[in-house]
Amino acid sequence: AQSVTQPDIHITVSEGASLELRCNYSYGATPYLFWYVQSPGQGLQLLLKYFSGDTLVQGIKGFEAEFKRSQSSFNLRKPSVHWSDAAEYFCAVAHNQAGTALIFGKGTTLSVSS
Amino acid sequence: EPEVTQTPSHQVTQMGQEVILRCVPISNHLYFYWYRQILGQKVEFLVSFYNNEISEKSEIFDDQFSVERPDGSNFTLKIRSTKLEDSAMYFCASSERAGGEAFFGQGTRLTVV
Repeated sequence: AQSVTQPDIHITVSEGASLELRCNYSYGATPYLFWYVQSPGQGLQLLLKYFSGDTLVQGIKGFEAEFKRSQSSFNLRKPSVHWSDAAEYFCAVAHNQAGTALIFGKGTTLSVSS
Repeated sequence: EPEVTQTPSHQVTQMGQEVILRCVPISNHLYFYWYRQILGQKVEFLVSFYNNEISEKSEIFDDQFSVERPDGSNFTLKIRSTKLEDSAMYFCASSERAGGEAFFGQGTRLTVV
């Protein structure tokens, strides 16, 4: 069965510092991979996605993620964190065929210190 | 920019009552979904809907739940005989294609008392 693991429940980063949020997935083939962000009381906003091709994908708000098949990982990065980036971040995986469900990780809460 | 809209934003209901959560997906999207997020927990898939029928559902989506697309724009989730543990944020989402990026609504917070 598919699964997504986000090993870090909570991360605190200083404003201006770099960020990496980890995501590992379990799936037999190459899945579609996503990162979503959820601010308090808000819905889920798509940051970026990977379907195929270039393994380094760029997203909104200065985020990027790299797909590494050998490590079954899809880590999210940002070179310089802003206070407004404080939120919950979810990694998700979907079937790349007819399946339609997104399987989410448990999320990583990002706090930004000044 | 097109968006998924959900109503109401917050619903309080008594245990045992039926509730209907409403969603208007993005107009050219063909796949529709319901997810839920119990407070402090991860987002869980409930059901996906395509071509006027359920295409996939999780084990959470039992006989207590049903979905319907009553007209060309609305997509509803009905929860019969609500239980305390149904209290959660319910998100509707839609996508253009299977496995494609899903756009989420702002959610309906359901509180069962």
